[in-house]
Amino acid sequence: QKEVEQNSGPLSVPEGAIASLNCTYSDRGSQSFFWYRQYSGKSPELIMFIYSNGDKEDGRFTAQLNKASQYVSLLIRDSQPSDSATYLCAADTGTASKLTFGTGTRLQVTL
Amino acid sequence: GAGVSQSPSNKVTEKGKDVELRCDPISGHTALYWYRQSLGQGLEFLIYFQGNSAPDKSGLPSDRFSAERTGGSVSTLTIQRTQQEDSAVYLCASSTGSGETQYFGPGTRLLVL
Repeated sequence: QKEVEQNSGPLSVPEGAIASLNCTYSDRGSQSFFWYRQYSGKSPELIMFIYSNGDKEDGRFTAQLNKASQYVSLLIRDSQPSDSATYLCAADTGTASKLTFGTGTRLQVTL
Repeated sequence: GAGVSQSPSNKVTEKGKDVELRCDPISGHTALYWYRQSLGQGLEFLIYFQGNSAPDKSGLPSDRFSAERTGGSVSTLTIQRTQQEDSAVYLCASSTGSGETQYFGPGTRLLVL
């Protein structure tokens, strides 16, 4: 079974700190990786996607991909209380064309 | 443009009744997905439509669940003879193609009493 694994958390970081969210995947054929943010009671919204090994930065967010280690991460710099949410990692399933989602990591940014 | 829309936003039904959930994808998106999210759980894939191809039904949990997509646009997810364990948020997403970014609708919160 093709899986995406995340630590459920909660991950607690103080305001202004860097939050590091991690994800591993089992399907070596996966090419595309996505980070979604989901506030309680709301639907997931896309934060970032990454296809290539290395880092991709967008504002306070940096996605990191290491295909050799089958590892994806999301860094949030200068964390704000409004960043408190569940972060879902997703990977395409290679040949099957649909995304497999992890169960999410709950992030709490404390004042 | 408009995002993915779903209706109804909330549905309360009695055990054994049939329900229909509707999804209207982003205009021009050829791929449409249905997911289920139970309380505190991750997204569970249900079914995937891509253009005129046969749908991928591999995630449907039982034969009480079915979905159709008419004219390559609007999709309806039908749950027959609902059970209490069907209570969840049903999310629809669409994308420009397989493996591309999926954009989610607001979901339908289903409660089976």
